Amino acid sequence: EAGVAQSPRYKIIEKRQSVAFWCNPISGHATLYWYQQILGQGPKLLIQFQNNGVVDDSQLPKDRFSAERLKGVDSTLKIQPAKLEDSAVYLCASSSRDKNEKLFFGSGTQLSVL
Amino acid sequence: DAKTTQPNSMESNEEEPVHLPCNHSTISGTDYIHWYRQLPSQGPEYVIHGLTSNVNNRMASLAIAEDRKSSTLILHRATLRDAAVYYCILSLLGGLNFGNEKLTFGTGTRLTIIP
Repeated sequence: EAGVAQSPRYKIIEKRQSVAFWCNPISGHATLYWYQQILGQGPKLLIQFQNNGVVDDSQLPKDRFSAERLKGVDSTLKIQPAKLEDSAVYLCASSSRDKNEKLFFGSGTQLSVL
Repeated sequence: DAKTTQPNSMESNEEEPVHLPCNHSTISGTDYIHWYRQLPSQGPEYVIHGLTSNVNNRMASLAIAEDRKSSTLILHRATLRDAAVYYCILSLLGGLNFGNEKLTFGTGTRLTIIP
C-alpha cells in the first residue's frame, strides 16, 4: 500500500513570496489533515478535511494560509505571503473510515523562509 | 482537549526494555490513549492505542492504569532504530464519531538509545 505522498521535500523562499505544498493521501482515505511542525515542537493541526469539506480550520492563519482538497482526494496548502515565522515542516496525514483509530503521515515538506 | 504530561527526555540501553510514562489525570471516559513516534526527518507514525485494557502489538505494549490517569508505553527490547520522539495523545479517534476526531500533539519524550 502506497503511503501519503508530499512534495516538494524541501523549499527555500524569501519572505513575502508565495509557496504551495501538495499532498496525495492514501487511496480511499476520507479524512486529510495538514499539520505545521516548528523545530523543537510537536505538530500543530492547521486544517482538517472530511472528503472535500473543511471540518476544522480554527488554527489556520487565514490571512495568509489557504488550503483546498479538490474532489476529495489531493490537497494543496498555500502560503501567501510567507513570513519568517512560517519556517517549519508541513506534514500531511490521512485516515480512513475503516481504520479511523490511526493517522498515516507523509514525510513532510521542510520550508525555510529567508 | 485533555492534556498529557511526559518527561522531556529518556535514555535506555540497546536491547533492554524501555518504559515511557504518560500522565493524563483529566482524561474523560471517551478518550482513547494514542502513542505515536517520530523518527528523525520523518512524519509521526502510529505505535499503539487503547481505551481501558492493556494492548499489545508487534511494535510495543500499552499498559493503562486502572483509573486511566496514567499509561506506559513499553518497548520490550530497544534497538537503535527506536530512537525517536514519542508522543502520548488523548483523542476521540477510534470512537464512533468518525470524521471529527483529531490528534493534538504535545512536545513528547525524546528517547535516546545507547549502544
